[in-house]
Amino acid sequence: DVKVTQSSRYLVKRTGEKVFLECVQDMDHENMFWYRQDPGLGLRLIYFSYDVKMKEKGDIPEGYSVSREKKERFSLILESASTNQTSMYLCASSLRTPGTPAVKWSYEQYFGPGTRLTVT
Amino acid sequence: DAKTTQPTSMDCAEGRAANLPCNHSTISGNEYVYWYRQIHSQGPQYIIHGLKNNETNEMASLIITEDRKSSTLILPHATLRDTAVYYCIVTAPMEYGNKLVFGAGTILRVKS
Repeated sequence: DVKVTQSSRYLVKRTGEKVFLECVQDMDHENMFWYRQDPGLGLRLIYFSYDVKMKEKGDIPEGYSVSREKKERFSLILESASTNQTSMYLCASSLRTPGTPAVKWSYEQYFGPGTRLTVT
Repeated sequence: DAKTTQPTSMDCAEGRAANLPCNHSTISGNEYVYWYRQIHSQGPQYIIHGLKNNETNEMASLIITEDRKSSTLILPHATLRDTAVYYCIVTAPMEYGNKLVFGAGTILRVKS
């Protein structure tokens, strides 16, 4: 079974702190994603990475950065945490679609359990 | 990506089929229909996806209308553990994989 793990289920940080959220997947997936989930807003994509050291901005990248030094690990960094970054953070991974897609199973994203971050 | 419209919530009796509709009238030719669900306090879970043909797997069936403007996810024998938020997502594959945009979804309550 694919397993995506996140470093913490619950985290409480103070305004202005630097926060690291870690995500690890064990299925050799090329793609990794960071989302946040807020009531009434659904899941929104923050950043994704399609290879080591590669990253692309999602829909709401402001206030966040990411790091992918190893294929299995994707880190989300809040440089200076603010109260409006209190949220549920979800990491996901998937295989990469090589050019014109032909293989169905490459589209499935596997999600971790989430980290509920509170910034006070 | 095409916009989707789903009912806010639905109830289903345990053991009966749950039919969850989704409208995606602006879907374009290369866009797939995906379904995910999210059980309380867990990350989303992939259920099924399709392009134009009906699809079935061990979890569910996906029925896509001929004009592809709507689809229905069918859970053939709903159980209490199927109570979750169900997301219908329409998106086209990109070079590096597909990008999912999650809306509000449908809250499915399975009742005994």
